[in-house]
Amino acid sequence: GAGVSQSPRYKVAKRGQDVALRCDPISGHVSLFWYQQALGQGPEFLTYFQNEAQLDKSGLPSDRFFAERPEGSVSTLKIQRTQQEDSAVYLCASSPNGGGDSTDTQYFGPGTRLTVL
Amino acid sequence: GENVEQHPSTLSVQEGDSAVIKCTYSDSASNYFPWYKQELGKRPQLIIDIRSNVGEKKDQRIAVTLNKTAKHFSLHITETQPEDSAVYFCAATVGGGGNKLTFGTGTQLKVEL
Repeated sequence: GAGVSQSPRYKVAKRGQDVALRCDPISGHVSLFWYQQALGQGPEFLTYFQNEAQLDKSGLPSDRFFAERPEGSVSTLKIQRTQQEDSAVYLCASSPNGGGDSTDTQYFGPGTRLTVL
Repeated sequence: GENVEQHPSTLSVQEGDSAVIKCTYSDSASNYFPWYKQELGKRPQLIIDIRSNVGEKKDQRIAVTLNKTAKHFSLHITETQPEDSAVYFCAATVGGGGNKLTFGTGTQLKVEL
């Protein structure tokens, strides 16, 4: 079946612009995660949704970062007033279950590479 | 919070040799340890995982071992092939509300002909 998809795949923004990154999880997956991957580093957790509820946003680096999943399926990560340090690959992952199942496999999307000039 | 350290950062082996990547974690409550392979510009793909109730798991040429007492786990690839060349990430999760993963810094594996 279809995997996790993300759009756009590449985004170039001028410093100060707002951007919106989209994630389409695997159909029926309850849990959705956003990660940030800097060049040459491992992914770092940003935020977690169980259905439409944002249960953990402890990894969001500043109040310029905002995520939503209003209908419990598609999610959008928005970054306001982008800065050069926001340049990274933003990965979305989904997993079938919620409720704190800590051994659930996470399936990743291809990521959006954001470059802030 | 959880901290995962991974080494080596780069590993070069001859085709057919074995490769071993090691990770340590800090939080004794962690109970799930996946390994992901990421080719350049591609998504991380799960290659194997292990849960804390087992010490070793094998899938064809890939195996993972877990030592909960020492808080370390390792990835073993035997009979390496050029298509094994990629960056490998270990990860750990404490669980609770959502199983957010803490990743290591990655190992660039190069399999030379």
